[in-house]
Amino acid sequence: NAGVMQNPRHLVRRRGQEARLRCSPMKGHSHVYWYRQLPEEGLKFMVYLQKENIIDESGMPKERFSAEFPKEGPSILRIQQVVRGDSAAYFCASSPPEGLAGEQYFGPGTRLTVT
Amino acid sequence: KQEVTQIPAALSVPEGENLVLNCSFTDSAIYNLQWFRQDPGKGLTSLLLIQSSQREQTSGRLNASLDKSSGRSTLYIAASQPGDSATYLCAGFMDSNYQLIWGAGTKLIIKP
Repeated sequence: NAGVMQNPRHLVRRRGQEARLRCSPMKGHSHVYWYRQLPEEGLKFMVYLQKENIIDESGMPKERFSAEFPKEGPSILRIQQVVRGDSAAYFCASSPPEGLAGEQYFGPGTRLTVT
Repeated sequence: KQEVTQIPAALSVPEGENLVLNCSFTDSAIYNLQWFRQDPGKGLTSLLLIQSSQREQTSGRLNASLDKSSGRSTLYIAASQPGDSATYLCAGFMDSNYQLIWGAGTKLIIKP
């Protein structure tokens, strides 16, 4: 059973461009979480999705950021018109429908650099 | 609002020492607490998960305890090895909103 997969692992974008980060959850997992880690800081929750539904997006910036988890295919975190402050590591985690509370399996992360 | 704090921010010790990493949280309504390991440029590895009804968990040389009343968790590493060098993160799970709330981590260096 492959783990959580994220791609790309590294992404460089110029200011104003769009960034698309992909996350494929573990097989059988229907819950996906996105976290952001700024340099030298802990992770911050961004959004929690289930298939075709956003359950909690309280951690998402109000503008430029969006997330989806379609019925088929990976979850996508999309950042429009990136700015330097968006440079961070973005981690995706997944969990099974009936897993232990808080039991989340993490991908290797995508490191976004905005130049 | 739940806040998680980790002390110390960095720690450097010689190989073989036993050491303790601390994690404190402000909201005792925490459902469970996990300790993760993060290697530079890498993802996160879950080390131990302590459920709300438990006081501690052990895995090999690692032991983690949870005291909800005092808002504290500790990660004890016995007989430290250079391969233990990494950043250790604690995260509390809030059942009310399905979020993991993270500390900023302790960067651990074990000197050979």
